[in-house]
Amino acid sequence: DGGITQSPKYLFRKEGQNVTLSCEQNLNHDAMYWYRQDPGQGLRLIYYSQIVNDFQKGDIAEGYSVSREKKESFPLTVTSAQKNPTAFYLCASSSTGGAGQPQHFGDGTRLSIL
Amino acid sequence: GENVEQHPSTLSVQEGDSAVIKCTYSDSASNYFPWYKQELGKRPQLIIDIRSNVGEKKDQRIAVTLNKTAKHFSLHITETQPEDSAVYFCAASKGTNAGKSTFGDGTTLTVKP
Repeated sequence: DGGITQSPKYLFRKEGQNVTLSCEQNLNHDAMYWYRQDPGQGLRLIYYSQIVNDFQKGDIAEGYSVSREKKESFPLTVTSAQKNPTAFYLCASSSTGGAGQPQHFGDGTRLSIL
Repeated sequence: GENVEQHPSTLSVQEGDSAVIKCTYSDSASNYFPWYKQELGKRPQLIIDIRSNVGEKKDQRIAVTLNKTAKHFSLHITETQPEDSAVYFCAASKGTNAGKSTFGDGTTLTVKP
């Protein structure tokens, strides 16, 4: 059964701590994305990647970092520089090509500050 | 960059009525317009999409219309049911730049039984 798996479902961060959110896909998609969703708001793009070993900043990249060492994996690190990390984080993937393609989302990780 | 505005932010209808959500976009090069439905605490899921070479697309009770000249597109849900209650997001993309999409802020639809 193909899809995107995010873990953990809930995560708590202490002051000054870096935490990493996992995102794995078995859809053979080239492109992957990380979004932040705050209550009652839309999806804001943090980082995206079109191919392995390459990624680009989105609209709100400050305080976050990513890596893309494998096609299937796109982990997001929320660093201590991100002063307001409490949010719902969604990972997505899509195939790429000349025409736009729909994005497939994971179930999300809810991050809170202890 | 692209800017997508979505209206209304909340919409309440009686079961069986129709619901319409509208989005406008700023980049005339955008050519792909998906709509996603997100139920409370769950992942957004694609419900319908339209490409710039088509003016309208239907799938059972759901339809999307696109006006390229005016740069706006709309989601139409007929014969609404309580299970249609969710947050709906529109998006626009150019199919380039890793397929990056710009999302609207979402519309919370409530269908009252």
